[in-house]
Amino acid sequence: GENVEQHPSTLSVQEGDSAVIKCTYSDSASNYFPWYKQELGKRPQLIIDIRSNVGEKKDQRIAVTLNKTAKHFSLHITETQPEDSAVYFCAASEGGSNYKLTFGKGTLLTVNP
Amino acid sequence: DADVTQTPRNRITKTGKRIMLECSQTKGHDRMYWYRQDPGLGLRLIYYSFDVKDINKGEISDGYSVSRQAQAKFSLSLESAIPNQTALYFCATSDLGTGGYEQYFGPGTRLTVT
Repeated sequence: GENVEQHPSTLSVQEGDSAVIKCTYSDSASNYFPWYKQELGKRPQLIIDIRSNVGEKKDQRIAVTLNKTAKHFSLHITETQPEDSAVYFCAASEGGSNYKLTFGKGTLLTVNP
Repeated sequence: DADVTQTPRNRITKTGKRIMLECSQTKGHDRMYWYRQDPGLGLRLIYYSFDVKDINKGEISDGYSVSRQAQAKFSLSLESAIPNQTALYFCATSDLGTGGYEQYFGPGTRLTVT
């Protein structure tokens, strides 16, 4: 099955700095890579996703890049704000399916004012 | 707004007891999932269902069972709870009609087994 590794497990940045979280996956058939944000005590919510036919996708201050050859993808947050503080999870679709996701272990991002 | 709901939100139970966690959705989605979240371990899939007649095991199904009573309801049971089943449990849904990829999570049930 799919294996997703996520790094770092914790990340602390100053407000206004950029943050980068990286994930690698093992299944070359995976074709969908979402990122979820989970604020303290809340449910995970999708913030951005990318399909395997695209190398980069942006949405305001967040972007995701995908390198299929190296089997890794990254989340980039620019101009971080205190409300960006949360746990972020990457995931990959298992076996190229559109119904089964394998999640990374999460990154706790803290943005210091 | 269409949503995914879970009951109870918090539950404390004793070792050996049977317990059921319930999930309901008003999104009209066909697919439903149960995950458990443990600190430092991310979200791990317990069971998933495409419709009331289609139930599939995930990566950590041992000690758990599920029932899809209707398209909108998916229950998770712990037949004989043990302390290492203490975790945060999430239900999620996805919609084949819109591609099936994005999963929408419920608010979670915090379960403590003493």
